[in-house]
Amino acid sequence: NAGVTQTPKFQVLKTGQSMTLQCAQDMNHNSMYWYRQDPGMGLRLIYYSASEGTTDKGEVPNGYNVSRLNKREFSLRLESAAPSQTSVYFCASRGTGTALGEQYFGPGTRLTVT
Amino acid sequence: QKEVEQDPGPLSVPEGAIVSLNCTYSNSAFQYFMWYRQYSRKGPELLMYTYSSGNKEDGRFTAQVDKSSKYISLFIRDSQPSDSATYLCAMMLNQGGKLIFGQGTELSVKP
Repeated sequence: NAGVTQTPKFQVLKTGQSMTLQCAQDMNHNSMYWYRQDPGMGLRLIYYSASEGTTDKGEVPNGYNVSRLNKREFSLRLESAAPSQTSVYFCASRGTGTALGEQYFGPGTRLTVT
Repeated sequence: QKEVEQDPGPLSVPEGAIVSLNCTYSNSAFQYFMWYRQYSRKGPELLMYTYSSGNKEDGRFTAQVDKSSKYISLFIRDSQPSDSATYLCAMMLNQGGKLIFGQGTELSVKP
């Protein structure tokens, strides 16, 4: 049982390049989330998916798109990367019936945009 | 003003000390309060979860919520070097709501 996995672990992009961050969970959870973490800012919600087939914007969605490919996988896409998107990105999941605050986080992807 | 404020520290204490970590918030409608622990270069993990006001204890950890003051605390008794991490408070309005995180407090427990 791997929990929440994220790929890649590290990535360096040039301004204007695109990339997709992958997230998968093997806990049969319905809800999945994407956060970014910046120094002094805490974790901020980018997008979330309450169930397979649905996605909603969070606090900072601009510049990102998401796809809930199936129940296990939730990807985050940067279409045209900007230096302001340099951050650590965390994916999280939560099961139905569990406390909403009990989100399980992946190890993160450290992204640098130059 | 941020909805949730947390002193970023860093906070350094000797082993065995009692640690107090705090968050204040502005939205009186928050009902669910969490503390997450995040080790360096890892994802956060849920440490404590409290609904509404009151105290909750789990081993060396005690979470307190004072809704009248819009203030939550996490106490760590007999702190250990293994407690060295960043502690994030988080809160939400209701089940199905979104988590709002504080900035995190970096704690270092020295042997």
